[in-house]
Amino acid sequence: DAKTTQPNSMESNEEEPVHLPCNHSTISGTDYIHWYRQLPSQGPEYVIHGLTSNVNNRMASLAIAEDRKSSTLILHRATLRDAAVYYCILSRVSDYKLSFGAGTTVTVRA
Amino acid sequence: GAGVSQTPSNKVTEKGKYVELRCDPISGHTALYWYRQSLGQGPEFLIYFQGTGAADDSGLPNDRFFAVRPEGSVSTLKIQRTERGDSAVYLCASSSTGQGSYNEQFFGPGTRLTVL
Repeated sequence: DAKTTQPNSMESNEEEPVHLPCNHSTISGTDYIHWYRQLPSQGPEYVIHGLTSNVNNRMASLAIAEDRKSSTLILHRATLRDAAVYYCILSRVSDYKLSFGAGTTVTVRA
Repeated sequence: GAGVSQTPSNKVTEKGKYVELRCDPISGHTALYWYRQSLGQGPEFLIYFQGTGAADDSGLPNDRFFAVRPEGSVSTLKIQRTERGDSAVYLCASSSTGQGSYNEQFFGPGTRLTVL
């Protein structure tokens, strides 16, 4: 399985943007990039996914490098509720299970 | 609509006892997954059901762990002769299909198992 590398932790101020990097230098052409997050004492929840093009949804934006070896999850205006562990995961269309790493712990300061 | 639910939310047991953890997936979801999460780590895959059958149980750590989904909806994870190392949060997830780029998994809140 292709692996991802994320920083252990990041801090942000409320209402400021947060840019969460993810390196995946061994990504294959059929790997999708998924982001999930896990709020304290809850199960993970889906955030966004993409293949090659940048993606936007109501929660976040996903910027994918042209060579696809890295990506960045962007939270446009962090709120206290965005404090969570964010996981960057690669999976193929044929995959069913998610392979979580340690993720990035995001702290939001009021 | 109702999300994935898991019961109990907490379970404390003694070493050597048998436990059952229940998962109610989102109605209509054919795929169901069990994961285990130890403190400070990401969830680890245990088993995947497509309908009633276990399509992949490669993540089950040993034969003390077993899971069923007899009618293709509710699933039960069973652990025999529990050990202290089994202490973790057990997460259940479901998805409408098992594969595909839009295979968004919906997770329950988990069952925290503590083996004394």
